[in-house]
Amino acid sequence: GAVVSQHPSWVICKSGTSVKIECRSLDFQATTMFWYRQFPKQSLMLMATSNEGSKATYEQGVEKDKFLINHASLTLSTLTVTSAHPEDSSFYICSATERGAKNIQYFGAGTRLSVL
Amino acid sequence: DAKTTQPTSMDCAEGRAANLPCNHSTISGNEYVYWYRQIHSQGPQYIIHGLKNNETNEMASLIITEDRKSSTLILPHATLRDTAVYYCIVRVASGANNLFFGTGTRLTVIP
Repeated sequence: GAVVSQHPSWVICKSGTSVKIECRSLDFQATTMFWYRQFPKQSLMLMATSNEGSKATYEQGVEKDKFLINHASLTLSTLTVTSAHPEDSSFYICSATERGAKNIQYFGAGTRLSVL
Repeated sequence: DAKTTQPTSMDCAEGRAANLPCNHSTISGNEYVYWYRQIHSQGPQYIIHGLKNNETNEMASLIITEDRKSSTLILPHATLRDTAVYYCIVRVASGANNLFFGTGTRLTVIP
C-alpha cells in the first residue's frame, strides 16, 4: 500500500524558534498533500492543501506567514512553524493523494510539537 | 459535503464482529462513503470506501443500504489492535479534496 513518511515524530523547541516538519510519499507521486492539526481529544482540522509546484491554499484562520508550506516535488512537502509559541503545541499530520486514486488520502504518523 | 452521523462510542468483545453504523441521509449521487480510523497518537489509516455496492478488503467490509442513506463498517473478527476512533466520511471521488473528520466512533475492543 501507499506509504507516507513524516519526520520528525516528536519535537520539543523553545518559544520563538522555527520547526520544520517533512512529509514524504515513499512509493507514489503525491499530486496533492494536506496538512492537518489535532489538539488533544479533538478531531483533525485541515490547515492547508498544497499541490506540487504551486502555492498552498490555507483554511480560514490559518496564518500563512506562520505556517509555511512548501511542496517542491511530487514526493515531498514541508511545513515550517515559524516563531513557534506554546499555543502552537499540537499534533501535526500530513496526508497525500495519488492522481486517479479515488480521492484516498494516505496519512503520515504525525508529529507531536511541544513548544516550551 | 454530505453530513454524517455516527455513535460516539461502542464496545466490542475481542474475536467478535464489530459493526459500526453511519448515517448519511443527504448523500449525493456522486459521493462515495469512506472509512478511516485513527489509533491513539497515530495518523489516520484508510480502511475502505464504496459508492453503492458492498465492498470487502483485507481489513473490513462495507455494507451500503440500497437508498445509500446509511452504511455499516464491519470488522469481522475484532482484535485489541482495532481499538481506535473510526470516521465515516462522504466525499466525491474525483479531484483531490480534503476530508472532513467529524467526531467519529470510539471503538473499544474488550478482552
